[in-house]
Parts: sequence; C-alpha cells; structure tokens
Amino acid sequence: QQQVKQSPQSLIVQKGGISIINCAYENTAFDYFPWYQQFPGKGPALLIAIRPDVSEKKEGRFTISFNKSAKQFSLHIMDSQPGDSATYFCAALVGGGADGLTFGKGTHLIIQP
Amino acid sequence: NAGVMQNPRHLVRRRGQEARLRCSPMKGHSHVYWYRQLPEEGLKFMVYLQKENIIDESGMPKERFSAEFPKEGPSILRIQQVVRGDSAAYFCASSTSRELNYGYTFGSGTRLTVV
Repeated sequence: QQQVKQSPQSLIVQKGGISIINCAYENTAFDYFPWYQQFPGKGPALLIAIRPDVSEKKEGRFTISFNKSAKQFSLHIMDSQPGDSATYFCAALVGGGADGLTFGKGTHLIIQP
Repeated sequence: NAGVMQNPRHLVRRRGQEARLRCSPMKGHSHVYWYRQLPEEGLKFMVYLQKENIIDESGMPKERFSAEFPKEGPSILRIQQVVRGDSAAYFCASSTSRELNYGYTFGSGTRLTVV
C-alpha cells in the first residue's frame, strides 16, 4: 500500500514559470512532511519541510502548502530556473521516526530555458 | 566536515555473490538509516541503526539482508547471494539523534548491479 501518492510523474515548465508538485497521504499519524531534491548520481537533499500545525512555509523561491483536512501538500517553485531541473520527492514521517521516511515516487522536473 | 560517505559508488556482482555496502556517517552522528531506491521509484526505508544496535529493521527483507553499525567503523549493509532484483541504488542517511532525525543527511549512494 502506497502511503504517499505524488503527481505528476513528470513536469515541464518554462523558465520563470511556477512548478507545482502535489502529494497526498493516508496515514494521519504522519507529522512531518519534507521535500527532497535529487540530481542524477546524487543522494536526495532536503529542500524544505513542514509540520501539520502550519498551512504554508516559504523559503526563498520554494513554498510548501499544506491542507491537513484534505491530507494533501504541495511544493511550489516560483520563478523556476534551469538549475531546478531535478527529481523531487515528497515524503512523510511518523513522530519519532523509527519507521523511517515514506517517500512518494518522485517527479522529474525539467525547466526549459 | 565531510558529509555522509558511502562506498563503493558502484558495485557489480554476479548472481550468488555477496555485496557489502559501507556508510560512514557525518562526524558526530550516531544514527544511521538505510534506504533502497529502485529505478523510477522513491526511496524505501530498510533499517535504522544506532551504534551497536538495530532499532528498526521493518523494511529489511527477511532473508539475505543484514545490517550492522559497530562501535568503531562504518555501518555495513550486507546482501548475501545477490539476485538480479537486488539491483538498485542504496542510500544511507545519518543524524545526531532520534529526535533530530527529521532533517537527516543522505549520502550519494551505492549503485549495485547484479549480472
């Protein structure tokens, strides 16, 4: 059973546009929702994260929107740049973290110049 | 301060051989996590270890896979009698404590190919 569903699988955005990636979860015990960025041949790097007590978090061009009632959260990349081209993973974690992060399947983002 | 170091970066094994993957956590980190990434898939949690202790191995296959994190030296993920389905990228991550594991750091991974 996939506990975190991510969409779209791939996304092409023009330079300067807004990239939006969506995730939905099922387990209401999740209490931490990070986004990771992964370049080819590299490990995932933490981009931004949110807890369910806030509805939005912004760091530079990256914003997480969180809808607890709908059990959905999304990543918005403003003013998308070619250097943002990567695979993005949403994830979720149950408090305490012993079970490890549950990842979505990833979104291949391409920013066209 | 070096990040999480994994070696080898690439490993090729024939079916039936053993694969040993090493992970040296960041300095001061005593908590290690192993994940497996299949092609076009997200990472899947395998095991969580502290020094000399396995805390949670609920994501680890019951057979052929084992992990350790000794008092001295790197954490080792060991796969015995590898099969083609074991071909994947294996990542480890480390953190300073269980409570701070929310922001743990991943290594660059070991890409295992079974031929």
